[in-house]
Amino acid sequence: QVTLKESGPALVKPTQTLTLTCTFSGFSLTTSGMRVSWIRQPPGKALEWLARIDWDDDKFYNTSLKTRLTISKDISKNQVVLTMTNMDPVDTATYYCARNRWGHWFDPWGQGTLVTVSS
Amino acid sequence: QSALTQPASVSGSPGQSITISCTGTSSDVGGYNYVSWYQQHPGKAPKVMIFEVSNRPSGVSNRFSGSKSGNTASLTISGLQAEDEADYYCSSYTSSSSYVFGTGTKVTVL
Repeated sequence: QVTLKESGPALVKPTQTLTLTCTFSGFSLTTSGMRVSWIRQPPGKALEWLARIDWDDDKFYNTSLKTRLTISKDISKNQVVLTMTNMDPVDTATYYCARNRWGHWFDPWGQGTLVTVSS
Repeated sequence: QSALTQPASVSGSPGQSITISCTGTSSDVGGYNYVSWYQQHPGKAPKVMIFEVSNRPSGVSNRFSGSKSGNTASLTISGLQAEDEADYYCSSYTSSSSYVFGTGTKVTVL
């Protein structure tokens, strides 16, 4: 059974850097074809894709946020880490990680973690 | 990358069929057969209902079907049930090696 779970701070201050961790089980990011994405959803708003990391360490970013995002993986811990710099109140959202299937769809998703940006 | 365009809301009575549209461009929906659809109940994580335009994952009811014509993809729910009331989002792979989601559609069962 594949599961993913997000963790990180619930509250960050403006201008701070956010670090989120996705801990997964049921698959390995050393296996050819495996990928993990981060997606966020501001309260009451639509989903927005942020970044993806592949088994071969290829990385892809939302072009609008690319300068602020870094995605990485820790194979030994089965974790994917997302950092976002210079946080702003508009970045307040529920952040999800999801396994990225080969046909470019997301399944399953983690439960999400709500991050509020406020001073 | 602009969000894909979906109607804000769609409603139907139990047993009826409804269709949700998802309009993009030739750089996303029209350029690839990588459109997927997600159902999201309040306070829950999204769940995939359709992948690669028209494929249903194991466990998803055959009342859900997908199609695509040009730059517009569609999700049809037949035999509408109360449990189908939720938000629905489309997603597409893009020519920028990224992904774009739709604006979201709230489905109401009357």
